[in-house]
Amino acid sequence: DTGVSQDPRHKITKRGQNVTFRCDPISEHNRLYWYRQTLGQGPEFLTYFQNEAQLEKSRLLSDRFSAERPKGSFSTLEIQRTEQGDSAMYLCASSHTGTVRPYEQYFGPGTRLTVT
Amino acid sequence: GQNIDQPTEMTATEGAIVQINCTYQTSGFNGLFWYQQHAGEAPTFLSYNVLDGLEEKGRFSSFLSRSKGYSYLLLKELQMKDSASYLCAFYNQGGKLIFGQGTELSVKP
Repeated sequence: DTGVSQDPRHKITKRGQNVTFRCDPISEHNRLYWYRQTLGQGPEFLTYFQNEAQLEKSRLLSDRFSAERPKGSFSTLEIQRTEQGDSAMYLCASSHTGTVRPYEQYFGPGTRLTVT
Repeated sequence: GQNIDQPTEMTATEGAIVQINCTYQTSGFNGLFWYQQHAGEAPTFLSYNVLDGLEEKGRFSSFLSRSKGYSYLLLKELQMKDSASYLCAFYNQGGKLIFGQGTELSVKP
């Protein structure tokens, strides 16, 4: 059984560059979530998908951020024109609404982004 | 509005019992989660409460009072490996988890 996987695990980029992260959820999980976590804080919701539909996007997410889940399986999160304030751990989680515990989210290892 | 609050840090002794409190406020509530997160790692699921009362799972127990907007996580027979951040989160009607800032627990010998 493979859990949620994320790639890359670490990314260092220069301010102004674009970055893209990938998340592969647990197989057959229909919901996929993106969170951002900074040091000493809990994860902060960014957006989530049910299958390929993006159902909600946080108001904290600027226009520089975009996420896709084109075939309802893996998802990508792109940040354009990165800023130093984007430095954080980006976490992906997945869940299955058809199970006994539809609210239980399983987290991936995260992608740590450092913007220099 | 919605918010969630838990202590920033706690210290306890190996073998002891510790209780981590969490208070929350939200207009739409679909359950209260506790996650454990070791430094540099992803959060891992500990417990889920949707009804009032105590849920026990081995050394860990979680309590919920919906009328008071209050939960706690109880850790018994503390071990050094329990040193971690403990995240309280509620699941709202929109389908997402709203997390507290986390409680950093240090277990001392």
